Amino acid sequence: SQQGEEDPQALSIQEGENATMNCSYKTSINNLQWYRQNSGRGLVHLILIRSNEREKHSGRLRVTLDTSKKSSSLLITASRAADTASYFCATVPSGSARQLTFGSGTQLTVLP
Amino acid sequence: KAGVTQTPRYLIKTRGQQVTLSCSPISGHRSVSWYQQTPGQGLQFLFEYFSETQRNKGNFPGRFSGRQFSNSRSEMNVSTLELGDSALYLCASSFVGAMNTGELFFGEGSRLTVL
Repeated sequence: SQQGEEDPQALSIQEGENATMNCSYKTSINNLQWYRQNSGRGLVHLILIRSNEREKHSGRLRVTLDTSKKSSSLLITASRAADTASYFCATVPSGSARQLTFGSGTQLTVLP
Repeated sequence: KAGVTQTPRYLIKTRGQQVTLSCSPISGHRSVSWYQQTPGQGLQFLFEYFSETQRNKGNFPGRFSGRQFSNSRSEMNVSTLELGDSALYLCASSFVGAMNTGELFFGEGSRLTVL
């Protein structure tokens, strides 16, 4: 079963706008990761944030983690049409090295 | 470095048959995990292999099995196929060691259709 939910399930924005996706999870975690999936393809790792970190940046991506609320957010700034994809958060439970539990995903559409 | 390679990319089977999917990890990666992705259940963890041993297993029936070879290549097998086994099966490899970043590297998947 999935660890948690992502919100919104679908998001449609114009090029140049920012996109924010939220993820909630249920158990204590070692780290939380965000992945991207283009339609029918494999997943691509975007960014990892450890349980003792609160914010992390990578290029146009900004991830926050609030372990007290068991939630995370992914912000994509200045979005491009090429950012159109599904975005998944994945958690690694405490004590588990490599077993990821994925959220339900957010389908992002960036309109040119 | 070559990425994770999965074969076959697409296959069609009928109920009751069995199927074997193959995964070649990135060179130097000794951990291989398998995930099933369906529209209804999303991405679900099947199992993980490291050093030819199954380390973790998800909540799937015994019809789903796997193995890992000494060169870290992995196969998964599904026996007595059911319609509900139609899915995208994703393999992921990861580096295990002091420099482990925790990220998984995924292949493009094997799309299985059961008729």
